[in-house]
Amino acid sequence: GAVVSQHPSWVICKSGTSVKIECRSLDFQATTMFWYRQFPKQSLMLMATSNEGSKATYEQGVEKDKFLINHASLTLSTLTVTSAHPEDSSFYICSARWDRVGFYEQYFGPGTRLTVT
Amino acid sequence: AQKVTQAQTEISVVEKEDVTLDCVYETRDTTYYLFWYKQPPSGELVFLIRRNSFDEQNEISGRYSWNFQKSTSSFNFTITASQVVDSAVYFCALSEPWGGKLIFGQGTELSVKP
Repeated sequence: GAVVSQHPSWVICKSGTSVKIECRSLDFQATTMFWYRQFPKQSLMLMATSNEGSKATYEQGVEKDKFLINHASLTLSTLTVTSAHPEDSSFYICSARWDRVGFYEQYFGPGTRLTVT
Repeated sequence: AQKVTQAQTEISVVEKEDVTLDCVYETRDTTYYLFWYKQPPSGELVFLIRRNSFDEQNEISGRYSWNFQKSTSSFNFTITASQVVDSAVYFCALSEPWGGKLIFGQGTELSVKP
């Protein structure tokens, strides 16, 4: 099956700093990628849809100026958490959509655990 | 609006018991996909199944089986002869046909004790 990687796997940063998380589709091209956030003991919530070559579409309640998404190539999307605060500590998971003829497949990355101190 | 409900927050069983995880969904779309994912403590989501709304056939894969009933908007998941390795959080999810974004249920934490 297709592989999606995320980097880093985990990161600890100080409050007020910015953190960049990468999501890569390793063996297919993904025009569309999705970013999800999961707080402890909770479900996954979609944050935004990342489209190659265009602006991301953010879900209601997600601050686009705080969570910057860049999808500059067909295999890479990045999520930058700007001026991170302890409440941004969470598990961030990306998925990449592989568009096939007549259907699509979707693959999840392994996730990035962010801790803001 | 789309919604997925997993009413069972936690289930605890003893090894070799059968267990069914419930999933009820809401959507106005006539075409949609339903999914089940397993999330072990490591956090990585493990894909289990995708079902197209037009395919109501039940599916069996080893100890796993799925019962899709459009009449009741349910897509239940049964593990037969559960094992300790089945302990994880299981998510049911719904997606529109072409968008790809998933709406997840709240998850059911399954604990299988030896």
